[in-house]
Amino acid sequence: GIQVEQSPPDLILQEGANSTLRCNFSDSVNNLQWFHQNPWGQLINLFYIPSGTKQNGRLSATTVATERYSLLYISSSQTTDSGVYFCAVDSNYQLIWGAGTKLIIKP
Amino acid sequence: DSGVTQTPKHLITATGQRVTLRCSPRSGDLSVYWYQQSLDQGLQFLIQYYNGEERAKGNILERFSAQQFPDLHSELNLSSLELGDSALYFCASSTRTSGRRTDTQYFGPGTRLTVL
Repeated sequence: GIQVEQSPPDLILQEGANSTLRCNFSDSVNNLQWFHQNPWGQLINLFYIPSGTKQNGRLSATTVATERYSLLYISSSQTTDSGVYFCAVDSNYQLIWGAGTKLIIKP
Repeated sequence: DSGVTQTPKHLITATGQRVTLRCSPRSGDLSVYWYQQSLDQGLQFLIQYYNGEERAKGNILERFSAQQFPDLHSELNLSSLELGDSALYFCASSTRTSGRRTDTQYFGPGTRLTVL
């Protein structure tokens, strides 16, 4: 089956810093989604991005489907950005999840 | 608030027991998905229903079953519970499934199941 790898597994940054999270996938996929799981466990959809680039405030994402990777950019980090960021790829009605990047933003 | 509701929020039960988790999708959403999140296996897709019919099956154990009712709410039944079933169970919904591509999924707050 499809393998989804995320890097880095952990990231600790000071407030105001920028970061780039990466998601690699092993095969062609129908779609890719990025999620944020906050410290209370809630999963929030950030981007639905099969290809190209999208931006939402301080967050943006780029998927290069032909090279099987996606990047999530977080600029000017805030403490509320802390949590785990997951990418999930869509294959035959199923979302296959990466292990996540745990992000800690220190004030 | 995603618009997806799940009950109960927490559930503590004993091994061998049976429980039912309930999910109400966002208004207008026809697809419901169930996921399990455990410390050792991460997030795993269990099963999807679309407008009352099973659409896809993932890593769902035979002891688990689900259904989607005419009003589109869904229930996940877990039986003969084992310690390893302790996890956070999420329900998600989306508007439709077009072709073989799913739409944006919106997640409920989850049900935390503890099996003692």
